[in-house]
Amino acid sequence: AQKVTQAQTEISVVEKEDVTLDCVYETRDTTYYLFWYKQPPSGELVFLIRRNSFDEQNEISGRYSWNFQKSTSSFNFTITASQVVDSAVYFCALSEVPQETSGSRLTFGEGTQLTVNP
Amino acid sequence: NAGVMQNPRHLVRRRGQEARLRCSPMKGHSHVYWYRQLPEEGLKFMVYLQKENIIDESGMPKERFSAEFPKEGPSILRIQQVVRGDSAAYFCASSARDGLGEKLFFGSGTQLSVL
Repeated sequence: AQKVTQAQTEISVVEKEDVTLDCVYETRDTTYYLFWYKQPPSGELVFLIRRNSFDEQNEISGRYSWNFQKSTSSFNFTITASQVVDSAVYFCALSEVPQETSGSRLTFGEGTQLTVNP
Repeated sequence: NAGVMQNPRHLVRRRGQEARLRCSPMKGHSHVYWYRQLPEEGLKFMVYLQKENIIDESGMPKERFSAEFPKEGPSILRIQQVVRGDSAAYFCASSARDGLGEKLFFGSGTQLSVL
């Protein structure tokens, strides 16, 4: 069975601080996919990144960066120079390789509520 | 290039009524997923559909819940005889597969409130 753990329920920072959101996962699959989604107060889910298990290169996109460590089963997300608009719930998710009979069922973590104060 | 469209955005029902939630996938997407987000919880998979077929409904409650994705028109998640415990946000996602796997794009969700 797959499991995603986001140990930080809530994080509060002051604007311009860097913040890292932790994600640890469990899976028996050797190939899998990892995702991060953002859920702002308006409620929609915004796709941020998809990472394949065979690609351990870290990725940077503007103020966002992701650190994938297969050895520790972690896929952490860092926001540099945080802004008030970054305030949201962030979800880490895991999926197996899509099959015809199961598609890409995502297993979500419980989410981390990030609050960036001015 | 519209994204995944869900309606209604908010739905209020009294106990015992039926709730119908609609989802139009992104253009070109033929896979639809429904997820439920209970208060203070993460999202939980409910059902995976392709056009005219339910592929995986392992996450659906055994009673009162059903889903369809007809050849024409949106996907429908139907909840009969709603109870208070059905109050949640219901998200639909659609996807297309590329060489690297599958990327799910979510709609804005339908917030169901059962009085």
